[in-house]
Amino acid sequence: AQSVTQLDSQVPVFEEAPVELRCNYSSSVSVYLFWYVQYPNQGLQLLLKYLSGSTLVKGINGFEAEFNKSQTSFHLRKPSVHISDTAEYFCAVTPDYKLSFGAGTTVTVRA
Amino acid sequence: GAVVSQHPSWVICKSGTSVKIECRSLDFQATTMFWYRQFPKQSLMLMATSNEGSKATYEQGVEKDKFLINHASLTLSTLTVTSAHPEDSSFYICSAPDSRNYGYTFGSGTRLTVV
Repeated sequence: AQSVTQLDSQVPVFEEAPVELRCNYSSSVSVYLFWYVQYPNQGLQLLLKYLSGSTLVKGINGFEAEFNKSQTSFHLRKPSVHISDTAEYFCAVTPDYKLSFGAGTTVTVRA
Repeated sequence: GAVVSQHPSWVICKSGTSVKIECRSLDFQATTMFWYRQFPKQSLMLMATSNEGSKATYEQGVEKDKFLINHASLTLSTLTVTSAHPEDSSFYICSAPDSRNYGYTFGSGTRLTVV
């Protein structure tokens, strides 16, 4: 079985400042990793994913994440956030097709 | 890209009635559909996995007689909440694997309120 831990439940950040959302996972097998964003009362939108290859993954809206196998982490970063980045962010892993989600991190961007 | 259309986006129903939620894959064939439930400020909890033409697989603790799932075609999966009660009020989201790019496409969610 897999588990995902998002280390920060809430992250307040000022506009144009950088942000990092931390995600650690545990699994006895190799996994694929994902970051999703959810705006209020909406479904999830894929930000980026790691399947294989380069450990630095670039996604949409200026987000990127780095897979660190030795630390079993997949932290999400953005160098400069916008007000519109205010949302809930979920890290997820799967060894096959069934996703396991972290508890989520609420990002609030302030002017 | 792949799109899953989920309807209705919100519904209010009386206690004891049943509500059907539909998820349609618009530009791809979804042989599998995942159904999630999300409580406020919480993560997604997988309820069940539906497969076209076969019975759904329910996660532990999910009442299969209350949450009826049907996957009658490669483009349509439905979740029916039977004899709904206020504790069934939640946000329900469907998701289908998109094999073209090894991703998952999520519906926009259904906010169910039982009064």
